[in-house]
Amino acid sequence: DTEVTQTPKHLVMGMTNKKSLKCEQHMGHRAMYWYKQKAKKPPELMFVYSYEKLSINESVPSRFSPECPNSSLLNLHLHALQPEDSALYLCASSQVIRGGSRAFFGQGTRLTVV
Amino acid sequence: GENVEQHPSTLSVQEGDSAVIKCTYSDSASNYFPWYKQELGKRPQLIIDIRSNVGEKKDQRIAVTLNKTAKHFSLHITETQPEDSAVYFCAASIRMTTDSWGKFQFGAGTQVVVTP
Repeated sequence: DTEVTQTPKHLVMGMTNKKSLKCEQHMGHRAMYWYKQKAKKPPELMFVYSYEKLSINESVPSRFSPECPNSSLLNLHLHALQPEDSALYLCASSQVIRGGSRAFFGQGTRLTVV
Repeated sequence: GENVEQHPSTLSVQEGDSAVIKCTYSDSASNYFPWYKQELGKRPQLIIDIRSNVGEKKDQRIAVTLNKTAKHFSLHITETQPEDSAVYFCAASIRMTTDSWGKFQFGAGTQVVVTP
């Protein structure tokens, strides 16, 4: 099973709203990621959690706040977003294989900020 | 940091022909190179990957080659089919520490169109 599940699939929010994106995996992966993807562009790394601890923050604005409650769950809390934050938000998780880490993506949350 | 360049940006092939996508990377410490296929509106799907201690890997109609000296790797799709139409992304990653796995740097993507 290589399933990473994200909810919701679609989200429309106003610039003053607070919302959260959720991600879940049951593959025993100990690294989880948030990526942002704009149309016709590659995924852009936002955050990496290793063993439930934030290990990489790619200088993401504070209006995006990640949280890793346990080894299976990853959240992304959103507050005071801008229209330019509209994008596909992808969660991924990875196992460790010798010489590299194989990452699997969720189906994403299509976010529209109005 | 790592920089990955991918060519071509678009690739049109006739069904049954082969498709080749090439990527180059800048950081010699990169040690893992996955390829993802992304159909419109769907998630990136891992289709094949290669580690730095291997020169070539094949899985049915898909193969990947790696030239560490030249720092480039390529995806080869043989006997293309319409369902191969998608955007393909190459990526390179460095396992920085035991606790920090796979910071992936993606190429810009290649739109592959297979015409019947």
